[in-house]
Amino acid sequence: GAVVSQHPSRVICKSGTSVKIECRSLDFQATTMFWYRQFPKQSLMLMATSNEGSKATYEQGVEKDKFLINHASLTLSTLTVTSAHPEDSSFYICSARPLVSGNTIYFGEGSWLTVV
Amino acid sequence: DAKTTQPNSMESNEEEPVHLPCNHSTISGTDYIHWYRQLPSQGPEYVIHGLTSNVNNRMASLAIAEDRKSSTLILHRATLRDAAVYYCILSLVGGADGLTFGKGTHLIIQP
Repeated sequence: GAVVSQHPSRVICKSGTSVKIECRSLDFQATTMFWYRQFPKQSLMLMATSNEGSKATYEQGVEKDKFLINHASLTLSTLTVTSAHPEDSSFYICSARPLVSGNTIYFGEGSWLTVV
Repeated sequence: DAKTTQPNSMESNEEEPVHLPCNHSTISGTDYIHWYRQLPSQGPEYVIHGLTSNVNNRMASLAIAEDRKSSTLILHRATLRDAAVYYCILSLVGGADGLTFGKGTHLIIQP
């Protein structure tokens, strides 16, 4: 199956700093990438949708100035959590819809963010 | 997005078949039925999807009711590695939106 890779898999940062998470589609080009957040024992919550070369679309309640999304190419999207606070600690997961045969969306392994 | 309803949890024995049900009574004619599963501390993994006909792949089978208002994911011979949360999700054919996750079914496999 198609592979989506996230980096880093785990990151610890200090409160007030920013942290960047990368999402790459390794063996396919993606028209659209999606970012999710998942708190312990809860389901995935869609945060934003990004299309290559255009601004991301954020879900209601997600602060676009806090969660910066850049979709620089058809294989790379980045999520930057700015001025992180402990309540931003969560499991962040990206997914990608292939340019060709885009009925199936593939997910990355997830990135654990801990803000101390 | 049309909603799906799944049992919160199910339990099965290793090496036995598992049938995971999903109700989607408000499904439209242009909704795919997708199944994903999520192991602890991992991103969701694609399992299978279908539109009208039953589907088989190396991981599982998907049985879709004739009226499409329900479907069943079938794991033919469960192993301990199949213990996960299984999500049944509808998505529009040709749609551009992300997937909306419900609570899924927590599948427990007993050795």
